[in-house]
Amino acid sequence: ETGVTQTPRHLVMGMTNKKSLKCEQHLGHNAMYWYKQSAKKPLELMFVYNFKEQTENNSVPSRFSPECPNSSHLFLHLHTLQPEDSALYLCASSQELAGPDTQYFGPGTRLTVL
Amino acid sequence: AQTVTQSQPEMSVQEAETVTLSCTYDTSESDYYLFWYKQPPSRQMILVIRQEAYKQQNATENRFSVNFQKAAKSFSLKISDSQLGDAAMYFCAYRTYNNNDMRFGAGTRLTVKP
Repeated sequence: ETGVTQTPRHLVMGMTNKKSLKCEQHLGHNAMYWYKQSAKKPLELMFVYNFKEQTENNSVPSRFSPECPNSSHLFLHLHTLQPEDSALYLCASSQELAGPDTQYFGPGTRLTVL
Repeated sequence: AQTVTQSQPEMSVQEAETVTLSCTYDTSESDYYLFWYKQPPSRQMILVIRQEAYKQQNATENRFSVNFQKAAKSFSLKISDSQLGDAAMYFCAYRTYNNNDMRFGAGTRLTVKP
């Protein structure tokens, strides 16, 4: 596989469930990102990792817990979510954290919280 | 805080015609990058074109070109000879030189009529 992949593509969960989203990049990049895309709103940056270290947390509620075991993999652990957390969650990666590097996006996970 | 505004929620164009999507941004920085991303219905976001703020020359990529007006903080995307495959959501994005916190606009949905 090439590029940035995300699993699952669709997820429906109850508010008491615990689930995880997975992202894998096959580009040899060092930085990875989680974004939330809600309808008719700009993409919201959630977390940034650089060389497995978290460099940014944009005031994301603790019910979202990221994990980056290595530069190629990024997880988003979910627990006790709210219906307003339903959205498309996008993962992205870039070669470096700053400079002119482009971010490459995965196809996203469509999350529905019942 | 940097903000990105796309004032056209929806646009339509006839196949083979030209369309321009608008984007303005607000920043006090002098070094930054601007991007146009395309998100087709399959949802994988892909880069269309990128512009470095220090470059006066407008970026072009085949049928896609930008009109970058730094003083006016305007960054419009022109699509020439529109094709059915150009139908998608288009997002304008901004990032400062030393920070990979990408700021996105709310998007413009482009419809291409055959």
